[in-house]
Amino acid sequence: AQKVTQAQTEISVVEKEDVTLDCVYETRDTTYYLFWYKQPPSGELVFLIRRNSFDEQNEISGRYSWNFQKSTSSFNFTITASQVVDSAVYFCALSEGGTGRRALTFGSGTRLQVQP
Amino acid sequence: DAGVIQSPRHEVTEMGQEVTLRCKPISGHNSLFWYRQTMMRGLELLIYFNNNVPIDDSGMPEDRFSAKMPNASFSTLKIQPSEPRDSAVYFCASSSPEAQGRYSNQPQHFGDGTRLSIL
Repeated sequence: AQKVTQAQTEISVVEKEDVTLDCVYETRDTTYYLFWYKQPPSGELVFLIRRNSFDEQNEISGRYSWNFQKSTSSFNFTITASQVVDSAVYFCALSEGGTGRRALTFGSGTRLQVQP
Repeated sequence: DAGVIQSPRHEVTEMGQEVTLRCKPISGHNSLFWYRQTMMRGLELLIYFNNNVPIDDSGMPEDRFSAKMPNASFSTLKIQPSEPRDSAVYFCASSSPEAQGRYSNQPQHFGDGTRLSIL
């Protein structure tokens, strides 16, 4: 069975601070995909990134960066120089690869509050 | 391009009534997913379709819930009879066909959700 753990329930930072959101996953699959989604106060779910299990290269997109480490089953998300607009709930999710199940298994989410 | 469209955005109804939630996936997407979000259980899959065929309905709570996808551009999730514990935000998501690559799993794009309240 798959499982995604986001141990940080809520994080509060002051604008311009860097913040890292942790994600640890469990799966028996050798091929799988990891995702991050953002849910702002308006409620929609916004796709941020996808990473497959064969690609451990870290990725940077503007102020966002992701660190994928298979050895520790972690896929952490860092926001550099946080802004008030980053305030949202962030979800890490996992799905099977190959011919497996496509549905997403979500973590419980981390609520990020960025104070001005 | 239009995203996933869900209707209604909000629904308030009394216990025992039938509720129908609607979803129009992104054009060209061939997989459609229904998720439910509650404070207690978080985001959980209810059912998903591939090429209009239900693939996994293991998350459907009970017989009161049913979902259909009569064509590639429309899906419904029905609750009959509704109960207060069905109150939640229901999301529909769609994803595009698998790429040519050996291991591909296209991202799911979500609608704005339907906030359902059963009194």
